[in-house]
Amino acid sequence: ILNVEQSPQSLHVQEGDSTNFTCSFPSSNFYALHWYRWETAKSPEALFVMTLNGDEKKKGRISATLNTKEGYSYLYIKGSQPEDSATYLCAFIGDTDKLIFGTGTRLQVFP
Amino acid sequence: EAGVAQSPRYKIIEKRQSVAFWCNPISGHATLYWYQQILGQGPKLLIQFQNNGVVDDSQLPKDRFSAERLKGVDSTLKIQPAKLEDSAVYLCASSQDRVGNTIYFGEGSWLTVV
Repeated sequence: ILNVEQSPQSLHVQEGDSTNFTCSFPSSNFYALHWYRWETAKSPEALFVMTLNGDEKKKGRISATLNTKEGYSYLYIKGSQPEDSATYLCAFIGDTDKLIFGTGTRLQVFP
Repeated sequence: EAGVAQSPRYKIIEKRQSVAFWCNPISGHATLYWYQQILGQGPKLLIQFQNNGVVDDSQLPKDRFSAERLKGVDSTLKIQPAKLEDSAVYLCASSQDRVGNTIYFGEGSWLTVV
């Protein structure tokens, strides 16, 4: 059974703080890693699709890095805002052609 | 472009009753997914369709869950009879092909079984 782990499980930060979370996944048979942001009562929103070792992607204040050899990805949020409060999910695709999700990191940003 | 549509948004039923969820994917998307997300866990794939064929239903509890995608467009997920542990968000998603590309999710159908 493939295991995708995310840490921390939850995070509380003050507005303006920068933060980061980790997604760990199997380092063999890697195909792609997805990051999603899921606000309560809304659709999970795709942030990044990462496929190459060493990939770095950026969208506004949010960025992500990928290390497929050691099996981890970091998501960074610079200058967190209350509207960044959400659950951040990563999902791994290997050779099974199936998206396997982690349990998510729940971020709460306080004004 | 219209997103993935799901209904109903919220449903409360008693155990042993049945429930059905409907999903209309983004137009032109060949692949459709149903995920179950239980509180505190990551979304778990229940079933994946490619057009109107099943690609993966290995984690679908087939004694009580069924899903169909007639004509390769919209899809229905049914639970009969429901158990307390079926309380979850049921997310439908679609993508243009099977892997790699972005997967687009609906807002989910929130089920509570009492």
